[in-house]
Amino acid sequence: DAGVIQSPRHEVTEMGQEVTLRCKPISGHDYLFWYRQTMMRGLELLIYFNNNVPIDDSGMPEDRFSAKMPNASFSTLKIQPSEPRDSAVYFCASSLEVGTPLFFGPGTRLTVL
Amino acid sequence: GQQVMQIPQYQHVQEGEDFTTYCNSSTTLSNIQWYKQRPGGHPVFLIQLVKSGEVKKQKRLTFQFGEAKKNSSLHITATQTTDVGTYFCAGHKFYFGTGTSLTVIP
Repeated sequence: DAGVIQSPRHEVTEMGQEVTLRCKPISGHDYLFWYRQTMMRGLELLIYFNNNVPIDDSGMPEDRFSAKMPNASFSTLKIQPSEPRDSAVYFCASSLEVGTPLFFGPGTRLTVL
Repeated sequence: GQQVMQIPQYQHVQEGEDFTTYCNSSTTLSNIQWYKQRPGGHPVFLIQLVKSGEVKKQKRLTFQFGEAKKNSSLHITATQTTDVGTYFCAGHKFYFGTGTSLTVIP
């Protein structure tokens, strides 16, 4: 298995632009997670899905952030409009079920100028 | 979200010295997982503890789960430069601890 796949690996954009991050979970995993990592705030859970349904989005910072999972093999995290404080590494992870390990993708390093 | 605190935040050790990081939760945990993130990398699963008082070993790494299932520790014996990275615990509802960054001085 290729593991969790994320794209792009790096994204540099200007303030006000729309940013879309993509994730392909491991096949057969029912749970998909989006995390954000910064020096100041550590590893924050933004949202997670179970069987393509959003379960907990309480970590989503504000209305500028949205996440979708149209099918079992694809998810997106969109920021519109982006701001410099959104600069971070965004990780997608998937797991088989509750109580099993999370497998992380390589992350997307986002820089908003 | 659930508060899972780790101490220390940073630790510098000489190669060969031992290292311990502690994870403390404000609530009882059903299980706890430990992850390691190398510099520039992504978190990688190490182990999961489920039972009260459980102790598990992986070579030089020893993991413990507290009797009250509110705290956990990771102990590394005789650190090596390959142990460098940040160690996270993850407890209730997929929330990660604040992490302990380990630097090993050759």
